[in-house]
Amino acid sequence: AQSVSQHNHHVILSEAASLELGCNYSYGGTVNLFWYVQYPGQHLQLLLKYFSGDPLVKGIKGFEAEFIKSKFSFNLRKPSVQWSDTAEYFCAVNEQVTRMLTFGGGTRLMVKP
Amino acid sequence: EAQVTQNPRYLITVTGKKLTVTCSQNMNHEYMSWYRQDPGLGLRQIYYSMNVEVTDKGDVPEGYKVSRKEKRNFPLILESPSPNQTSLYFCASHDTGLNTGELFFGEGSRLTVL
Repeated sequence: AQSVSQHNHHVILSEAASLELGCNYSYGGTVNLFWYVQYPGQHLQLLLKYFSGDPLVKGIKGFEAEFIKSKFSFNLRKPSVQWSDTAEYFCAVNEQVTRMLTFGGGTRLMVKP
Repeated sequence: EAQVTQNPRYLITVTGKKLTVTCSQNMNHEYMSWYRQDPGLGLRQIYYSMNVEVTDKGDVPEGYKVSRKEKRNFPLILESPSPNQTSLYFCASHDTGLNTGELFFGEGSRLTVL
């Protein structure tokens, strides 16, 4: 079965620091990749997605992610975080054949002002 | 406005008392699913439905039932809730096109079973 790993469970950064959250998956076939964000007390919202083409995808609020097929990774990055980026971030992988979507365990980010 | 609506948003109940969490979407999506979110475990899929009258188990189906009699509705039923079902539940929907998979989530239903 597909598995998605987010190795950082909790990350604490100061404002203006750079962010990189790791995401690795196990499925060897064709996948669609997502990052979702959950702000405190809210539901999950799509941050960015990769289906095909340029492996560097840009999302909302200055976030980007790079798909590295050889490493089965889809890491999320932001050059300079803000206090408002405090949230929980979930990586998700959709197998194109089965259409099953699997979430990682989440990374809770706290940005100190 | 595209929406996934869940009710109730908050519920405290007691062990064994049957309850239903409703979910409705207005986007004509074929695919709907239920997840539970627990600290450190991320989102785990309970059940999903590819279309009307087509449902299947996700990763953690024990103790839950679902039905899909209409395209827009996908209720989650707990026949005999137990304390280990205390969790935050999310309903989600999306189009079943091969290159989609983007989920639209409801606001969540926080359930406490005493």
